[in-house]
Amino acid sequence: DAGVIQSPRHEVTEMGQEVTLRCKPISGHDYLFWYRQTMMRGLELLIYFNNNVPIDDSGMPEDRFSAKMPNASFSTLKIQPSEPRDSAVYFCASSLSPGGNEQFFGPGTRLTVL
Amino acid sequence: GEDVEQSLFLSVREGDSSVINCTYTDSSSTYLYWYKQEPGAGLQLLTYIFSNMDMKQDQRLTVLLNKKDKHLSLRIADTQTGDSAIYFCAESIDNQGGKLIFGQGTELSVKP
Repeated sequence: DAGVIQSPRHEVTEMGQEVTLRCKPISGHDYLFWYRQTMMRGLELLIYFNNNVPIDDSGMPEDRFSAKMPNASFSTLKIQPSEPRDSAVYFCASSLSPGGNEQFFGPGTRLTVL
Repeated sequence: GEDVEQSLFLSVREGDSSVINCTYTDSSSTYLYWYKQEPGAGLQLLTYIFSNMDMKQDQRLTVLLNKKDKHLSLRIADTQTGDSAIYFCAESIDNQGGKLIFGQGTELSVKP
């Protein structure tokens, strides 16, 4: 398997624009996680899905952020409208049923909002 | 609320042992993890320990867990320059272990 795939790897956009980040989890994994990493706040869990259903979205910062998982092999994280403070590295991770199982992280999307 | 604390930096000489410490707050944590992040990459699981264990050894890595003090440590024996990275401690805080809370990460610098 190619591992968790994220696209794009880098995104530069202007304030107010819509940004869509994409993730393809490892085949067969039934958990998918979206994280955000910044120098100030470290690594934060935004939302996670189990079998395509959102389980916990308490980390989603505000209504400008939304995430979907239309099927087992694809998820999106959308920011609309984007703001400079959204600049961060966004990671997607997937795992089998947890409980000692590894979360496999993608390479991340580095988002810069000007 | 849940919190995981780590020191931010550690510098050691090549060949020495490194000890990275972590404290957590949720006494019901089932699993505790150590992840490694190299520059420009995602996190990679190094090892984990089940909460009913005190110690786990895996080659150069030794994990010690003190549940009473809610303290977790990672010892890397014979540290190499390739071990230079950021190390994250994490705890699972729900019954199924799906949600992880990460510490801020400890940047390990290994000098030749």
